[in-house]
Amino acid sequence: AQTVTQSQPEMSVQEAETVTLSCTYDTSESDYYLFWYKQPPSRQMILVIRQEAYKQQNATENRFSVNFQKAAKSFSLKISDSQLGDAAMYFCAYSIGGFEKLTFGTGTRLTIIP
Amino acid sequence: DTGVSQDPRHKITKRGQNVTFRCDPISEHNRLYWYRQTLGQGPEFLTYFQNEAQLEKSRLLSDRFSAERPKGSFSTLEIQRTEQGDSAMYLCASSPGQLSYEQYFGPGTRLTVT
Repeated sequence: AQTVTQSQPEMSVQEAETVTLSCTYDTSESDYYLFWYKQPPSRQMILVIRQEAYKQQNATENRFSVNFQKAAKSFSLKISDSQLGDAAMYFCAYSIGGFEKLTFGTGTRLTIIP
Repeated sequence: DTGVSQDPRHKITKRGQNVTFRCDPISEHNRLYWYRQTLGQGPEFLTYFQNEAQLEKSRLLSDRFSAERPKGSFSTLEIQRTEQGDSAMYLCASSPGQLSYEQYFGPGTRLTVT
């Protein structure tokens, strides 16, 4: 079975600084997709960034980027120039084939210090 | 496009009662997913539909749980003979399937079983 592990229950960062959230996963599949979802307090979960396993280039979306290490089964999220609105629970998730169910990690609560 | 909606947002019920939740996906999204999220955990997959067909059910979905998506539009999730362990946030998500791997989440229904 596929598993997703987030070893940092909580992280904090000063506003405008950079923070990296860690995620590891376990799978025997070759075609899969990895995602970072953000769940702000009392608000809906939204997609931050995704990575296709067949792509070697790391995905980037504005201030958000990933470090995808396929051999190590590692998928970390880097947030640059942290803003107060980045405060949320961040979930790493995995999917076979992209359209299938998501398997989530336990999440990392990110606090932004003004 | 008003997003994924769920009703009710909160439900308090007594143990042994039946409850039904509704999810309205984004128009023309052919995939619809149900997840359950308990405090401090990531969402866990329950089931998903492509149009009206239920394609997969998790082992978490005991025979007290049933889900439907008549005519491939809205979906309902029913829990019969509720137990205290059913207390959780029930999340619905939809996806257009082709061309996008993103799942769009609703606000969730928080169930409390007393």
